[in-house]
Amino acid sequence: SQKIEQNSEALNIQEGKTATLTCNYTNYSPAYLQWYRQDPGRGPVFLLLIRENEKEKRKERLKVTFDTTLKQSLFHITASQPADSATYLCALLPMNSGYSTLTFGKGTMLLVSP
Amino acid sequence: EAGVAQSPRYKIIEKRQSVAFWCNPISGHATLYWYQQILGQGPKLLIQFQNNGVVDDSQLPKDRFSAERLKGVDSTLKIQPAKLEDSAVYLCASSWEGGPYEQYFGPGTRLTVT
Repeated sequence: SQKIEQNSEALNIQEGKTATLTCNYTNYSPAYLQWYRQDPGRGPVFLLLIRENEKEKRKERLKVTFDTTLKQSLFHITASQPADSATYLCALLPMNSGYSTLTFGKGTMLLVSP
Repeated sequence: EAGVAQSPRYKIIEKRQSVAFWCNPISGHATLYWYQQILGQGPKLLIQFQNNGVVDDSQLPKDRFSAERLKGVDSTLKIQPAKLEDSAVYLCASSWEGGPYEQYFGPGTRLTVT
């Protein structure tokens, strides 16, 4: 069966360091991968989208990589700040179709301490 | 622009009672989604509308859940009768179209079934 795995344990890092979150998937061939941020009591907020033929995508302090051979995406936040503390969700989309649906992982909580 | 609106924000009901949630998507968004998010899990798609037609309801427990999107704008999700395991946050999201476009989420409705 299709599976999306994100670290269930919280990631604790110090302010200023680079946070790296992992998203692994099995029995899946996503055409697109998205990352969302979710704060407690709020809905997810879209951060980045990467296509299967793209290796890397950047946006300000964020960087996402997508390795379809390893079936893995890495999400990096450089120069992390306490305000980056949140749960980060990866989500996979199988094809470029309006009738395909997004499947989310469970998310990884990031805690950035001052 | 105004975001996705949902109401109520919180609801407590007893099992076997019924409940309804309302969602107003971002103006102009053709696609509307209802997700269920259980504590510690990622959002799980219940139903996806394209305008006022259903394109995916494969994970909707149709014996107790129903949803409609009138005139391709607002949507309601109903549970009747509720079970204890329906306790979760119900998130509504919208996007310009289906597929790889970013989804904009509302704040969610936290449902507690006692």
